[in-house]
Amino acid sequence: GAGVSQSPSNKVTEKGKDVELRCDPISGHTALYWYRQRLGQGLEFLIYFQGNSAPDKSGLPSDRFSAERTGESVSTLTIQRTQQEDSAVYLCASSLEQYEQYFGPGTRLTVT
Amino acid sequence: GQNIDQPTEMTATEGAIVQINCTYQTSGFNGLFWYQQHAGEAPTFLSYNVLDGLEEKGRFSSFLSRSKGYSYLLLKELQMKDSASYLCAVRRPARQLTFGSGTQLTVLP
Repeated sequence: GAGVSQSPSNKVTEKGKDVELRCDPISGHTALYWYRQRLGQGLEFLIYFQGNSAPDKSGLPSDRFSAERTGESVSTLTIQRTQQEDSAVYLCASSLEQYEQYFGPGTRLTVT
Repeated sequence: GQNIDQPTEMTATEGAIVQINCTYQTSGFNGLFWYQQHAGEAPTFLSYNVLDGLEEKGRFSSFLSRSKGYSYLLLKELQMKDSASYLCAVRRPARQLTFGSGTQLTVLP
């Protein structure tokens, strides 16, 4: 695969619904990251997976947010009982060990 | 806590040189990255500094002073396509990146 892919590209949901966002990293990349970017702002770290190690969840804003990763492949970010403040672009990135991160195109989430 | 500061906006003229500064205060330091992000697109990697000094890559250069907690991105021979947000990010141990809010650069003809 060429790069990091994410789906869906856009998601509109009603407040209170659950959403699931998907990330397919670059094949062979051991590290995977999720970020949130609100309009006009920088990237906010959410969670980090590295190989088989326990994920670093220190950036998750609340217990409504969770993420899983299957081995060194696909990851899903789940937001339960969505709120309007969850509206943002959710970016996934992958990398080889300590090298630069490659970002996916993001999922634009709108909570109405 | 983690603190990364960049100017919010900068404006420069096509063909000119612009320097975007970044200062940081973080618990732990494993390198500093600069990313470029065009509106509505994902960030793309520009440069990485882990040792003090200047790294040059074509029209773009990046400088780091670890003792001062300071970096800058230098863009030469500005082109209209350089209009974008430039994000400074510090890597801390365990390879997490902490991003600044970004500097929106507008290149005028």
